[in-house]
Amino acid sequence: QKEVEQDPGPLSVPEGAIVSLNCTYSNSAFQYFMWYRQYSRKGPELLMYTYSSGNKEDGRFTAQVDKSSKYISLFIRDSQPSDSATYLCAMRMNRDDKIIFGKGTRLHILP
Amino acid sequence: DTEVTQTPKHLVMGMTNKKSLKCEQHMGHRAMYWYKQKAKKPPELMFVYSYEKLSINESVPSRFSPECPNSSLLNLHLHALQPEDSALYLCASSQTKQVAETYEQYFGPGTRLTVT
Repeated sequence: QKEVEQDPGPLSVPEGAIVSLNCTYSNSAFQYFMWYRQYSRKGPELLMYTYSSGNKEDGRFTAQVDKSSKYISLFIRDSQPSDSATYLCAMRMNRDDKIIFGKGTRLHILP
Repeated sequence: DTEVTQTPKHLVMGMTNKKSLKCEQHMGHRAMYWYKQKAKKPPELMFVYSYEKLSINESVPSRFSPECPNSSLLNLHLHALQPEDSALYLCASSQTKQVAETYEQYFGPGTRLTVT
C-alpha cells in the first residue's frame, strides 16, 4: 500500500460546479497536510496548509482533514476554467522535513 | 513576498556538458530544496539544505552536485547527465522548525532540462 493515494483523473466538471478532490494515506504520523496546484509546465503553488484534523477555508477553497479516517479533501466552490490544473495533496510528519506527495489529480473545468 | 526564482527557465545540454541551475529566495527561509519532476509524476526530493548545510541527500547520483553559497542562493551543478535526467527541476524553500511553528514549502517555477 502506498503512503499516499490520490486518483490521477482526469476529472472533468462544468464551470460553476463544486469540485471535490481527495487523498487517503496510511501513515498515522502525518500531522501537516497541504494542497498544491500546478499548472502545466509550472512549479507547484501552495493553496492550503492545515495542521491535524479540521477544516480550513480560504475564498473558494476549503480543505478538510479527517485523521481518524486518514482522509483529506479539497473543495472548490464556483469552479472556473482557470482552476483547470493538477492538484497535488501532500503531507509530512511532525518534525520531519520530507514532504510525501500524492500523484496529483488532473482537473478540467469545462466552460 | 513568497517568491522563489529559478534560472534558466529552459536548458538543453549534451551529455558531456557542465551546466548549473540557480535558485534564489528573499523570504529569510533557512531551508532550501531541490526536487526533480518527470511528466505526470509528483515532485521527487533530491536534496535539502538547512542553514546552508546539506541535511538530506536522497541517494542522488554524483553527476548532480548541489551547493548553497549563502542563505538566499541554491545551485545545482550538472555534469555528464543522461537523457533520462531530462525533467523539470524545482527549487523550494521554507522556514525551519527551529524558528517557526509552520514551515510550508514554496516552490519556484522550475527549470525544464533536456539532455540530448
